[in-house]
Amino acid sequence: GAGVSQTPSNKVTEKGKYVELRCDPISGHTALYWYRQSLGQGPEFLIYFQGTGAADDSGLPNDRFFAVRPEGSVSTLKIQRTERGDSAVYLCASSPSGRGPGELFFGEGSRLTVL
Amino acid sequence: LAKTTQPISMDSYEGQEVNITCSHNNIATNDYITWYQQFPSQGPRFIIQGYKTKVTNEVASLFIPADRKSSTLSLPRVSLSDTAVYYCLVGDIRAAGNKLTFGGGTRVLVKP
Repeated sequence: GAGVSQTPSNKVTEKGKYVELRCDPISGHTALYWYRQSLGQGPEFLIYFQGTGAADDSGLPNDRFFAVRPEGSVSTLKIQRTERGDSAVYLCASSPSGRGPGELFFGEGSRLTVL
Repeated sequence: LAKTTQPISMDSYEGQEVNITCSHNNIATNDYITWYQQFPSQGPRFIIQGYKTKVTNEVASLFIPADRKSSTLSLPRVSLSDTAVYYCLVGDIRAAGNKLTFGGGTRVLVKP
């Protein structure tokens, strides 16, 4: 596909469960970002990958959140022991390089609901 | 990171021009200004980016005064499909990662 693809589009889980969210960036884009968006608010930065390495994970809220990008393309955001406060839309974005200025290309997001 | 302030919401009518002004009083020399648009249930979409004066593309115009402490996004002749949230962002062109800091955005409602 031409755009950033995220799966699943919707995920409902129970408190305490483990969740994985997947992002498939635009082919050739070396930079990949995860954001989280709560209802009525702007997206909040979580983590940025340049290639396979996490170059900036300062936005991860706590150690229950972890993300990987083992081959420098697809990325997985992993949330352990989910809490109701983790409910949000998780957005993935990619860009050709990590340098500004430039455009981030966002996917449609994965809506996570923790019951 | 320079903080941005923009109106929470704006109403307009089809065919009118919509101007959204964003304040960024502490913008730094290397900061550039970017605007994104977000429809419900979609990720943000890049609209326009600029450093100073005026930038125009097929979608919008961006006006930046000489002191760069504010910027105005201009949407000409809006239609119902322009109803969305518009975010103003400021970022350092030198920074690796192009990390964007979103505020609350401006909710624009276009009425028939």
